[in-house]
Amino acid sequence: NAGVTQTPKFRILKIGQSMTLQCTQDMNHNYMYWYRQDPGMGLKLIYYSVGAGITDKGEVPNGYNVSRSTTEDFPLRLELAAPSQTSVYFCATLQLMNTEAFFGQGTRLTVV
Amino acid sequence: EDQVTQSPEALRLQEGESSSLNCSYTVSGLRGLFWYRQDPGKGPEFLFTLYSAGEEKEKERLKATLTKKESFLHITAPKPEDSATYLCAVVSNTGKLIFGQGTTLQVKP
Repeated sequence: NAGVTQTPKFRILKIGQSMTLQCTQDMNHNYMYWYRQDPGMGLKLIYYSVGAGITDKGEVPNGYNVSRSTTEDFPLRLELAAPSQTSVYFCATLQLMNTEAFFGQGTRLTVV
Repeated sequence: EDQVTQSPEALRLQEGESSSLNCSYTVSGLRGLFWYRQDPGKGPEFLFTLYSAGEEKEKERLKATLTKKESFLHITAPKPEDSATYLCAVVSNTGKLIFGQGTTLQVKP
């Protein structure tokens, strides 16, 4: 039982490159989330999904895209990387009325 | 608009000096309020979930309480190992889960 798996753990991108951050969960949770965390700050919600085929914007969606074709997977796509997207990214899952939201290990992304 | 505000941003305590952290929220239909602890370079570590006003939960030196507009995390006789950033988050009736900016606690021996 892996919980929430995020890949990669670290990545360096050049300005203008694209990449996909992967998030997979095996807990059959309906709700999934992507956050970014800048140094000394809280977690900012990028996108979230309440079930397969349903996604919605969070607080800071610009420059990102998501899809949710299955319950298990919720990939985050960066199309044209910019230095402002340098951050630590966390994926999380939740089943409402469950005790907690579960987090992946995080992806440290640097755009140069 | 759903919003979570934590105060203070930073707090310095002497070991044994009790205090409280505040989390004020506005949300369209509260489905739950979470408290997490985060150490530098690590992911959030779950502490508590509160669902309704009047609810309280305790764990070691920590106690979380909830009203209709805010939550408090009370720290009794803190130790240096309690030093961390404490994050508050709320889930709305649309399933959106948003966090406050956190309170960074430093406990000096």
